[in-house]
Amino acid sequence: NAGVMQNPRHLVRRRGQEARLRCSPMKGHSHVYWYRQLPEEGLKFMVYLQKENIIDESGMPKERFSAEFPKEGPSILRIQQVVRGDSAAYFCASSPVYSNQPQHFGDGTRLSIL
Amino acid sequence: GQQVMQIPQYQHVQEGEDFTTYCNSSTTLSNIQWYKQRPGGHPVFLIQLVKSGEVKKQKRLTFQFGEAKKNSSLHITATQTTDVGTYFCAGRRSGGATNKLIFGTGTLLAVQP
Repeated sequence: NAGVMQNPRHLVRRRGQEARLRCSPMKGHSHVYWYRQLPEEGLKFMVYLQKENIIDESGMPKERFSAEFPKEGPSILRIQQVVRGDSAAYFCASSPVYSNQPQHFGDGTRLSIL
Repeated sequence: GQQVMQIPQYQHVQEGEDFTTYCNSSTTLSNIQWYKQRPGGHPVFLIQLVKSGEVKKQKRLTFQFGEAKKNSSLHITATQTTDVGTYFCAGRRSGGATNKLIFGTGTLLAVQP
């Protein structure tokens, strides 16, 4: 499967714990985007990364959230000290080098906070 | 900040009826893309429009990009139950500093057989 791979598909955390969401882009794609989707709502842009660089993090909450896309390995979205309001579906998308290309989405991670 | 609104938020049609969703941006867009998300699924790219006034067709789906590049529409002729899902437009701000897409609020289409 050469698509965007996200894991885990489902993640349950208790309040105060940390959540780590992983995303491997499609082969040949060097741009990664993270979105959050609340039930019955649209996709909210969070962050846009290239390898080893954060290009645009204007949608990231100022505290507890961080993202990285290292030279080797998947992109990671990290949420520290999770709260109930963090419960959502988190989607990762990737695109090739050139701008104006379609984004290919992974299946998402459904995060539930107890 | 840039906002992209879609109307209606929800539409329920009988199979065979037509459906249209409208997308409006607060800023001029360099291009617009449309995505479909089935219930419980992930967004899937449908099409991209780049030119002012552009019209593209995919079988029963017709996509338009407004002359001012601030609005777009998706029209489905003779809906089928397989058309069920949420349709999102997504645009890049003209002259924007980054490659990020701003997604519209989405239109959920329900089709009754």
